[in-house]
Amino acid sequence: GQNIDQPTEMTATEGAIVQINCTYQTSGFNGLFWYQQHAGEAPTFLSYNVLDGLEEKGRFSSFLSRSKGYSYLLLKELQMKDSASYLCAVRDSNYQLIWGAGTKLIIKP
Amino acid sequence: IAGITQAPTSQILAAGRRMTLRCTQDMRHNAMYWYRQDLGLGLRLIHYSNTAGTTGKGEVPDGYSVSRANTDDFPLTLASAVPSQTSVYFCASSDLTTDTQYFGPGTRLTVL
Repeated sequence: GQNIDQPTEMTATEGAIVQINCTYQTSGFNGLFWYQQHAGEAPTFLSYNVLDGLEEKGRFSSFLSRSKGYSYLLLKELQMKDSASYLCAVRDSNYQLIWGAGTKLIIKP
Repeated sequence: IAGITQAPTSQILAAGRRMTLRCTQDMRHNAMYWYRQDLGLGLRLIHYSNTAGTTGKGEVPDGYSVSRANTDDFPLTLASAVPSQTSVYFCASSDLTTDTQYFGPGTRLTVL
């Protein structure tokens, strides 16, 4: 079966750095997405990786290792507004997105 | 309007009733999707449409139907609602060239 694993919840301090991991086992791989979802709101697109390596976008970076079936989202200089759930999703061989259950990130002052 | 809109925002429905959730996008995206999101589970695909006039089944299609008469609209119908269909429903759309999905604000549905 297809599976996306992420930690259920993480806590970090304002101003710090946090890394959210995602491991996947899917039938084929055609890219990995990270989305942010604030409570009660819709998911919003953060990043996309299809090749191995690091993609940097401001305070957020996303890394991919296809051979390890592994990705992480790195958030720097954490702000209170970063408190949200972070969803990892993999596009499989049928070009459908398989979603992880999300990681709830709690930022403490 | 800009982006994707969904209606209603929330709804309480008696079991056995028919319900249509509406979704409209103005981005001229080819592909549209319906997901449900339940606590502790990832988004699960119900139905999708790669282009107007075509639809396909996702991971959890039973009890739901869709139509895609034009590019902008993608309604989801529950023919006879059951309590297990209580969930938050998200509609999304994407341009087939980038495949990044953009989500509507969601409909919170409670079936009693």
